[in-house]
Amino acid sequence: DIQMTQSPSSLSASVGDRVTITCRASQGIRNDLGWYQQKPGKAPKRLIYAASSFQSGVPSRFSGSGSGTDFTLTISSLQPEDFATYYCLQYDSYPWTFGQGTKVEIK
Amino acid sequence: EVQLVESGGGIVQPGGSLRLSCAASGFTFSSYWMHWVRQAPGEGLVWVSRIHSDGSSTKYADSVKGRFTISRDNAKNTLYLQMSSLRAEDTAVYYCARDYRGELDPWGQGTLVIVSS
Repeated sequence: DIQMTQSPSSLSASVGDRVTITCRASQGIRNDLGWYQQKPGKAPKRLIYAASSFQSGVPSRFSGSGSGTDFTLTISSLQPEDFATYYCLQYDSYPWTFGQGTKVEIK
Repeated sequence: EVQLVESGGGIVQPGGSLRLSCAASGFTFSSYWMHWVRQAPGEGLVWVSRIHSDGSSTKYADSVKGRFTISRDNAKNTLYLQMSSLRAEDTAVYYCARDYRGELDPWGQGTLVIVSS
């Protein structure tokens, strides 16, 4: 199985800060990676797919990059509604695997 | 509006069975692969299972293989997860999600399964 190592597990940041979350795959997964946002008591919502692509409706402050084994989710200017837990998901091979999550908290 | 609504969760004793349903609306259900993902209380997301759009192919996490069965009824626009030999560690919120080229969107609101005596 492919292991996804996400870091940090949590971070504290202020509104307006630039935030970066990383995900490392235990083997190459091309660009078969998505990023999801989950708020307490709610279902996850997809932010990014194919490592760097996003559908309409996702704010442009969210961006993704990477290929192979190393991936990054960046929030360019953190907004109050962005405080949540973020997960990466590899879908290159079964079983699909999630990172352990990064909780973004208010500083 | 594209929507997924899960149902069927509840409290079940260890060793028991339960069937979850996921009703789809607002899109052509028969054209999409579908997944189940679960989340134990206070824990992260764990992928559980996937089914091909026509039901011809399925995949499972090792932790549920042989105990859970994913299926679908395209005439009823409904996805199922039959769970048997349930264990305490299967306690979780179970989400269904639509798959488009690896992108899981949307997700249902989730249904809680508690395995306890």
